[in-house]
This record gives sequence, structure tokens and C-alpha cells, in this order.
Amino acid sequence: SQTIHQWPATLVQPVGSPLSLECTVEGTSNPNLYWYRQAAGRGLQLLFYSVGIGQISSEVPQNLSASRPQDRQFILSSKKLLLSDSGFYLCAWSPWGGSHYGYTFGSGTRLTVV
Amino acid sequence: KQEVTQIPAALSVPEGENLVLNCSFTDSAIYNLQWFRQDPGKGLTSLLLIQSSQREQTSGRLNASLDKSSGRSTLYIAASQPGDSATYLCAVALKSYNTDKLIFGTGTRLQVFP
Repeated sequence: SQTIHQWPATLVQPVGSPLSLECTVEGTSNPNLYWYRQAAGRGLQLLFYSVGIGQISSEVPQNLSASRPQDRQFILSSKKLLLSDSGFYLCAWSPWGGSHYGYTFGSGTRLTVV
Repeated sequence: KQEVTQIPAALSVPEGENLVLNCSFTDSAIYNLQWFRQDPGKGLTSLLLIQSSQREQTSGRLNASLDKSSGRSTLYIAASQPGDSATYLCAVALKSYNTDKLIFGTGTRLQVFP
């Protein structure tokens, strides 16, 4: 069966520090991968998605970047965190070519920038 | 631009009641619709997935319907229990090349008290 892992679960970082969140998927090949953010009092917002290694699409301009160095690994990064980067970050995957079987989400990372 | 709205925003009911949560979307050209549950501070758990060609899906005490032409979906929870307390999110998938994008609703926060 397929599983998705995200870490760390919680993170407190000072303003201006770098960020690296990692997401890995097991039990499938060529997944579509996604990063979402849920800010306090707001809905889920798609940040990045990837349909293959090295292929990243950004949905909104921001202080963040994403990379996919391996088929089942998706990384969310920042060189210098802002207060506004605080939020709950969720990684998700769906089968390549479409989400006929739906999306599966990770357990999330709570990021607090202080 | 696809917009997804959920009504009510919050709901507090005694145990045993049958519940209806509503989701509406502005663009009927969706690939599928998915209902999720989110417990406080946790990731998203998929409840039901309805393809655009389907009218409803059932899982245990949960039943979700889809009327694509009118842009509506409902989640019916039978015989509610305190363990059902959570935020319920609906999301529509928009087809784009070889991937989909999930657009989330604003969520319904449900509390079921004993």
C-alpha cells in the first residue's frame, strides 16, 4: 500500500533563517506531488505541484521554492523565512496523469516563524 | 476562476442527529470532488471521492452526492457521534494537462456533543 511521510511535524524558526521540509511517498511510482499551505483562519492554498523529477510548477509568487530530486521525494525550501510564512504545510500525492483515485495527504508540518 | 463555498461554517449538534453539510462550486467543469476530514492540528483524511460522472458515494454512515450541473455536493452524516467532531472540507479537482489541481472549500467545523 502507498504511504506518504512528512517531517518534521513541528518547527519553530527565526525570521531570516532557511527552511527545508521534506515529503516522501512509498509504494507507488511517478506520483504527482503537491505542497499546500493552510494559514491560520484561511483555507488550503496550493503552492507547488510536480508531475516528474525536476518538474515544478508554482501556483503563487512567494518566498518559497520546491524541488523534486527523486521520483518520490518533494522538498519545500526557503532561503530566508518571513513571518508570513507561518502556517500548516501539507504534502499530497495523486497517481500520475490524474487523480482518479483521489489525493492522499501527509500529516503536515506546523511552521511558526518568530 | 473556480470558487468553492461550504455552508454552514460551523455546526454544533447533540449526538444521534443526522447531518447535512453543503458544498457549492462555481464552475461545473470538474474532474471529481473529494470530501476530507481534518482533526485539529492534523493532516487531511479522505472520506469520499465522487467522479464527475457519478451521482453519489457511500461509506458507512457517510453519503456524498454530486450534482455537477448545479454546482453542488452534500455530505450526509447519519447518527452523528462525538468522534465525528472535526472540520470537513470539500475539494474539486480541475483537470490541467496531465495533472489535477484541488481547489478547497472554506470548511465546516462540526462539533457533536454527548
